Amino acid sequence: NAGVTQTPKFQVLKTGQSMTLQCAQDMNHNSMYWYRQDPGMGLRLIYYSASEGTTDKGEVPNGYNVSRLNKREFSLRLESAAPSQTSVYFCASEAEAVQNTEAFFGQGTRLTVV
Amino acid sequence: GDSVTQMEGPVTLSEEAFLTINCTYTATGYPSLFWYVQYPGEGLQLLLKATKADDKGSNKGFEATYRKETTSFHLEKGSVQVSDSAVYFCALRQSAGNMLTFGGGTRLMVKP
Repeated sequence: NAGVTQTPKFQVLKTGQSMTLQCAQDMNHNSMYWYRQDPGMGLRLIYYSASEGTTDKGEVPNGYNVSRLNKREFSLRLESAAPSQTSVYFCASEAEAVQNTEAFFGQGTRLTVV
Repeated sequence: GDSVTQMEGPVTLSEEAFLTINCTYTATGYPSLFWYVQYPGEGLQLLLKATKADDKGSNKGFEATYRKETTSFHLEKGSVQVSDSAVYFCALRQSAGNMLTFGGGTRLMVKP
């Protein structure tokens, strides 16, 4: 059972390059999320999609764009990478964005921008 | 806004020792509280949760009690194992439609 799958697992970019992080879930979940994880700061929400066809900004959206391609897939794009975007990126999904629901996470993408 | 504060790590313990990881929160209303665990090289996974005051969440020998009066949700385990070595995140969530707010994480290292 795959759950939430992210690609790639590792990536090194040069400043100014662009890339797209892919995320897919096979649990028929409505809500999907992109987080970044930095040492000592926990996970911070970049963007989320409460349902297919909708996306909204989270806490730290600057420098990123997202696309909810269909119910399964939610991609994160860096148009012009900066060293400050060096981080570990996690995609997550939930059946619904309600108070007690469990979030399921992918294994993460470790991105280094040089 | 809402916030979650965890004790800084790393926490290093010997196998079979007692574990406490402190978590306090600031939030209006009555949030749900969660502990997520991240094992090396993996994504986060839900460890336990509590949805109202005085509720106790438990799983895999871990426990945490929702204390409204002290705005705390401390994680405890009576006897840790090497396999418990991981990063533990405390989180809260307000009513429907609001997002998870995470603490900074606490790394636990258990030595044989």
